[in-house]
Amino acid sequence: ETGVTQSPTHLIKTRGQQVTLRCSSQSGHNTVSWYQQALGQGPQFIFQYYREEENGRGNFPPRFSGLQFPNYSSELNVNALELDDSALYLCASSLTSGAYNEQFFGPGTRLTVL
Amino acid sequence: QQPVQSPQAVILREGEDAVINCSSSKALYSVHWYRQKHGEAPVFLMILLKGGEQKGHEKISASFNEKKQQSSLYLTASQLSYSGTYFCGTGRAGGFKTIFGAGTRLFVKA
Repeated sequence: ETGVTQSPTHLIKTRGQQVTLRCSSQSGHNTVSWYQQALGQGPQFIFQYYREEENGRGNFPPRFSGLQFPNYSSELNVNALELDDSALYLCASSLTSGAYNEQFFGPGTRLTVL
Repeated sequence: QQPVQSPQAVILREGEDAVINCSSSKALYSVHWYRQKHGEAPVFLMILLKGGEQKGHEKISASFNEKKQQSSLYLTASQLSYSGTYFCGTGRAGGFKTIFGAGTRLFVKA
């Protein structure tokens, strides 16, 4: 059973550019949640995908968007990058949607915006 | 609304005990606890559900007071490997998302 994987590990972009981050969920999991973690802070919920549909989102602007594919892997896209977007982006997969489910986190993608 | 964790940081000697608290102003259905080491992903420790029992994981256990909307994580006879940042995450009934606190930084020294 493979765990949650993310790519790339690190990324450097300039302000105004666009970025795509990828996440492969754990085998058997149909739900992926994305989080932004600024240095020294807890993970902040961006959105969740359940069976290829966005299940809900946190307080992030529309330039943060995502996809989930039939194999339940997922992408996070961020347009018009801003300096404040610099953070660790984590994805977490769970067996299904619902706040009662354990979440298993990937290693994260460290995004730096210059 | 983000749960509040206390203390913000704690330093222990190996073998000492610690308690980390997590409280919310909202009615909770679930509380999740994770540990994150520097440069690594958060690792799931345990989840407590409303109406459920106190959980334990070797020398790490947790309780959930539904009436007070509070949870506590108990670390007994701490080991060097317990060092890291502990996050609580809260979920509401019928909800889908987990809201994390700002974390408690725990450092265990020999």
